[in-house]
Amino acid sequence: KNEVEQSPQNLTAQEGEFITINCSYSVGISALHWLQQHPGGGIVSLFMLSSGKKKHGRLIATINIQEKHSSLHITASHPRDSAVYICAVRSFLGPGTYKYIFGTGTRLKVLA
Amino acid sequence: ETGVTQSPTHLIKTRGQQVTLRCSSQSGHNTVSWYQQALGQGPQFIFQYYREEENGRGNFPPRFSGLQFPNYSSELNVNALELDDSALYLCASSFRGDTGELFFGEGSRLTVL
Repeated sequence: KNEVEQSPQNLTAQEGEFITINCSYSVGISALHWLQQHPGGGIVSLFMLSSGKKKHGRLIATINIQEKHSSLHITASHPRDSAVYICAVRSFLGPGTYKYIFGTGTRLKVLA
Repeated sequence: ETGVTQSPTHLIKTRGQQVTLRCSSQSGHNTVSWYQQALGQGPQFIFQYYREEENGRGNFPPRFSGLQFPNYSSELNVNALELDDSALYLCASSFRGDTGELFFGEGSRLTVL
């Protein structure tokens, strides 16, 4: 079992729909990142969370530390939101050292 | 535009050869991390450098090594290339702190024949 699990793996939505992508993790973390990757490889950081909720435009990210779960919501989805969304956690290896563990991503396609 | 630049963008090597990939971090960032992303997979953490010292490593063999320079730019070196090393190699820079946001470069796509 992967230490970071995302669901769903693939998602097709109609323009305007509300979208939720989930991320569960099994390790202790100091931060969780939501990333967006477009075809061609470039990755953009959307959110970094250690608690609570953040909002940026039509994107909302929440995290529940006790339940080891985070969600990324997209309101009023648009075809330009089509991309792979990746959850990544920062986990401590030892004093002053840590590693990042990535989910396999959720491939989102929004149809016009 | 994140301000993180990687070179080269594409390269082809043969098995057994060595490769060096380069990353210039965003101004003000003192931490660089490297990732390998195979086709259709999520990125895998290789290692991270802070102030020229490695301070975190994923499950990669010693033939994957790195350097960070005083200007915080970084290199990833891979020796004795294998076919499975074919992947997109990404670097990200951040400012050291408990929750440093990551800024990614566009990646270097390596093909090993």
